[in-house]
Amino acid sequence: SQTIHQWPATLVQPVGSPLSLECTVEGTSNPNLYWYRQAAGRGLQLLFYSVGIGQISSEVPQNLSASRPQDRQFILSSKKLLLSDSGFYLCAWSEKGMGDYEQYFGPGTRLTVT
Amino acid sequence: AQTVTQSQPEMSVQEAETVTLSCTYDTSESDYYLFWYKQPPSRQMILVIRQEAYKQQNATENRFSVNFQKAAKSFSLKISDSQLGDAAMYFCAYKDRSGNTPLVFGKGTRLSVIA
Repeated sequence: SQTIHQWPATLVQPVGSPLSLECTVEGTSNPNLYWYRQAAGRGLQLLFYSVGIGQISSEVPQNLSASRPQDRQFILSSKKLLLSDSGFYLCAWSEKGMGDYEQYFGPGTRLTVT
Repeated sequence: AQTVTQSQPEMSVQEAETVTLSCTYDTSESDYYLFWYKQPPSRQMILVIRQEAYKQQNATENRFSVNFQKAAKSFSLKISDSQLGDAAMYFCAYKDRSGNTPLVFGKGTRLSVIA
């Protein structure tokens, strides 16, 4: 069966520090991968999605970036965090091709920028 | 671009009663998928129910059912016999059938269940 992992689960970082959040998927190959951010009590904002290694689509221009160095690994980064980067970050994956297109979500990372 | 609107930021229901959460969407596509996701206090997103636009029959999963009105572009979620564990944020989502485009989510409805 497929599983999705995210780490760390919780992170507290000062303004201006770098960020690296990691997401890995097991039990599937060549998945679509997604990064979402959820501010407190708010909806999900799609940040990036990837259909393959090195292929990243950005939905929101900001100081965050994403990379997909391996088929089942998706990394969210920042060189300098802002206070507004605080939130709950969710990684998700889905199958390609014909299918029900359900997205499966990871457990999330709670980021607090101080 | 497709949009999803959930007009009820918060709803409440008495335990064992029935509640309906509203969702409307906008698309020019004729074939697509619709989903309801639940996010409990643990923040883990859980798929509740899915509907394929080409199917006229409304999807049902145990106590959860949808009222899919394609012409009206409406996709409401009905929760019957509400339980305390149903308290959560509920998100409506849309997905084109074609290509690798991501889900489009609504802003969510926070459901409280009163004992």
